[in-house]
Amino acid sequence: DVKVTQSSRYLVKRTGEKVFLECVQDMDHENMFWYRQDPGLGLRLIYFSYDVKMKEKGDIPEGYSVSREKKERFSLILESASTNQTSMYLCASSFLGANIQYFGAGTRLSVL
Amino acid sequence: ELKVEQNPLFLSMQEGKNYTIYCNYSTTSDRLYWYRQDPGKSLESLFVLLSNGAVKQEGRLMASLDTKARLSTLHITAAVHDLSATYFCAVGHGNQFYFGTGTSLTVIP
Repeated sequence: DVKVTQSSRYLVKRTGEKVFLECVQDMDHENMFWYRQDPGLGLRLIYFSYDVKMKEKGDIPEGYSVSREKKERFSLILESASTNQTSMYLCASSFLGANIQYFGAGTRLSVL
Repeated sequence: ELKVEQNPLFLSMQEGKNYTIYCNYSTTSDRLYWYRQDPGKSLESLFVLLSNGAVKQEGRLMASLDTKARLSTLHITAAVHDLSATYFCAVGHGNQFYFGTGTSLTVIP
């Protein structure tokens, strides 16, 4: 079974903190994605990566950065957390060619 | 930018009834995905549709794709309570996926 593991299910952070969300997949997928999910807005792509050290901006990259130093790990970084970044964050992975995506359990982040 | 529209956003239906969820998208694509999300859980893949006219069925759910109309449908037959969830369609374009806003389905006994 494909496994996409997100390091935390719930996080509470303060405004201005630097926040790291980690995602690890065990299927040797080339593609990895970070989405945020908000009620009524569906899933919006923040960043994705199709190879180690490669990254592409999605629809809403502002306030976020990413790191992919190893193929299996994709990190999302909030440089200075703000209250409007309170959301559910979902990591996903897939093989090249945008085949089926596999999702992690999600991290619910609250920024106070 | 590729747009994906789902309707309805909310659907409340009685057990035993049939209904269809619609997914329209704005740019040519031949890859369409349906996902299910239960409350507090992540997304689970239901169907992958890769060609015009593709139809897939699993239990009481059937998905179809019309690439010329840029439309996919998810048909629910004789709904049961276990189908209550949020359903998302997503369109594949290059290496990216574009998601609809989701349809929140509640099946009432």
